[in-house]
Amino acid sequence: ETGVTQTPRHLVMGMTNKKSLKCEQHLGHNAMYWYKQSAKKPLELMFVYSLEERVENNSVPSRFSPECPNSSHLFLHLHTLQPEDSALYLCASSQAPGGGAGDTQYFGPGTRLTVL
Amino acid sequence: QKEVEQNSGPLSVPEGAIASLNCTYSDRGSQSFFWYRQYSGKSPELIMSIYSNGDKEDGRFTAQLNKASQYVSLLIRDSQPSDSATYLCAVKRSSASKIIFGSGTRLSIRP
Repeated sequence: ETGVTQTPRHLVMGMTNKKSLKCEQHLGHNAMYWYKQSAKKPLELMFVYSLEERVENNSVPSRFSPECPNSSHLFLHLHTLQPEDSALYLCASSQAPGGGAGDTQYFGPGTRLTVL
Repeated sequence: QKEVEQNSGPLSVPEGAIASLNCTYSDRGSQSFFWYRQYSGKSPELIMSIYSNGDKEDGRFTAQLNKASQYVSLLIRDSQPSDSATYLCAVKRSSASKIIFGSGTRLSIRP
């Protein structure tokens, strides 16, 4: 596997379900990100982890819970979601926030989430 | 005022012509600038990054940065139908942990 991978690629869940999205980066990066992209809306940053510490949490509802067990893996745990949470969830990684080429973020293919 | 502004388009350009995509940003402390391409239903992929004033060329793509005017642009020469996509401008401060993305410009190359 190369680059940034995400599983599953598609997920349909009911509002009472609990599920998790997984992201893995094979680039040796130290920072990982979760974004939400809804139809016809810009990318919304949800969470940032740098060296496994959460450094950014953009007022995301508590029904989204991130976990970063190590610098290569990032999870997004989902529970009691709402239909408006249906979107493309993108994971990205970078060397580390701090300037220059290390800022460049590389995206995974995304998980298309549908909440019924 | 949005932090990163782009014309949403669609911008329609004939095949073989030059496509010019523009972006302005509000934070004068921004140091890193990126252009991403996103096909419908796919994730963004990096096209160019630029960090200093002037032009940076990579194949058919040229990024232009003017920090005094808080303006960054992307030129695509010899436009191809495969260039039809949404182009996202992104900006970052060195000290910040996050990149700010614009809403994107939808580009359509007509044969």
